[in-house]
Amino acid sequence: KNEVEQSPQNLTAQEGEFITINCSYSVGISALHWLQQHPGGGIVSLFMLSSGKKKHGRLIATINIQEKHSSLHITASHPRDSAVYICAVTGNQFYFGTGTSLTVIP
Amino acid sequence: ETGVTQTPRHLVMGMTNKKSLKCEQHLGHNAMYWYKQSAKKPLELMFVYNFKEQTENNSVPSRFSPECPNSSHLFLHLHTLQPEDSALYLCASSRQDRGQNIQYFGAGTRLSVL
Repeated sequence: KNEVEQSPQNLTAQEGEFITINCSYSVGISALHWLQQHPGGGIVSLFMLSSGKKKHGRLIATINIQEKHSSLHITASHPRDSAVYICAVTGNQFYFGTGTSLTVIP
Repeated sequence: ETGVTQTPRHLVMGMTNKKSLKCEQHLGHNAMYWYKQSAKKPLELMFVYNFKEQTENNSVPSRFSPECPNSSHLFLHLHTLQPEDSALYLCASSRQDRGQNIQYFGAGTRLSVL
């Protein structure tokens, strides 16, 4: 069992839909990261958070430390949001989820 | 473009070859990382360098040998690899001295071992 679990593994949405990706973890952490991986391998770090909520454009990330759970929300989704979204946590070491593959259809 | 450059982008090598992957950043970061991403497996952290000193080695086989000559450059030397080492190898960098650890990733090197 992975220390970081993501759901769903695959997600297809219509353009404009509100999207939620969930991440649960089982280890003590100092921070949680949301990463975006585009086809071809390029990865961008979207958020690093240790409490509360952060917003950047159409992306919102929340974390509940007590429940060991984080969500990544995408409002008004767009085809360019199609990518793999990876949740990672840092504590004594890094742990990564297997990712959520998102496809947004025009 | 994240500011982290990896070369080559693609590499095909035989099991007896010796090759090196290169990573370069000019973001003023002081920590650099090597990751391995195999198909349908979680991203695996391989090595961490902080201020040019290796601080983490996650039980990586000795056929992978990292080198960090300065805080801007990171190499991964490869020798006598196995086909199961075929994967995407990602480099990342971050600035760690302010309690932040937002990592910037390179585009990766797609490695195929024949």
